[in-house]
Amino acid sequence: GDSVTQMEGPVTLSEEAFLTINCTYTATGYPSLFWYVQYPGEGLQLLLKATKADDKGSNKGFEATYRKETTSFHLEKGSVQVSDSAVYFCALSSNNNDMRFGAGTRLTVKP
Amino acid sequence: EPEVTQTPSHQVTQMGQEVILRCVPISNHLYFYWYRQILGQKVEFLVSFYNNEISEKSEIFDDQFSVERPDGSNFTLKIRSTKLEDSAMYFCASSINRGPITGELFFGEGSRLTVL
Repeated sequence: GDSVTQMEGPVTLSEEAFLTINCTYTATGYPSLFWYVQYPGEGLQLLLKATKADDKGSNKGFEATYRKETTSFHLEKGSVQVSDSAVYFCALSSNNNDMRFGAGTRLTVKP
Repeated sequence: EPEVTQTPSHQVTQMGQEVILRCVPISNHLYFYWYRQILGQKVEFLVSFYNNEISEKSEIFDDQFSVERPDGSNFTLKIRSTKLEDSAMYFCASSINRGPITGELFFGEGSRLTVL
């Protein structure tokens, strides 16, 4: 079935460091790809999405590009802040399945 | 801003007891979901629901689980006889559409279930 695999954490960075969290997917159709974020004590919130190949999703300084050739949707941010500390989930949605999430990557940003 | 609300926020129960978790999805949404997250682990799909019936369910969603939309607003998850391994955070979500065109799910804050 459709699935996503994302980089295991935890990831610890200093403020203003560059962030990459890798995500690759397996799907039989043409899925949409998402990054969700879970701040401490809260539910999941949509961070960004891309619905077709070569689309770039962006929000709050984060971005990810839908790469069909490498089946990837890596999350990047050029300069992280302490407030970005959270768990980040890669996810996909396709015709055949409801939304499926990766294992989550915990990011801690230190001042 | 409309939101998905869940109750209770935390429930503690004894093994073997029945538990009902409640959710009020966003009012114009048509698709409803339950996910769970065991502490520190990934968010797992349990079930999706549309037009008063289950659309899809995972292998986790066995006979001890059931879902219901008893009225026009609530969406419930029932666990008939809880086991220790049911301890998790249960998230309700809703969406306008299903599938890749929109696909965005709106999540509640979760109900933490602790089975003793």
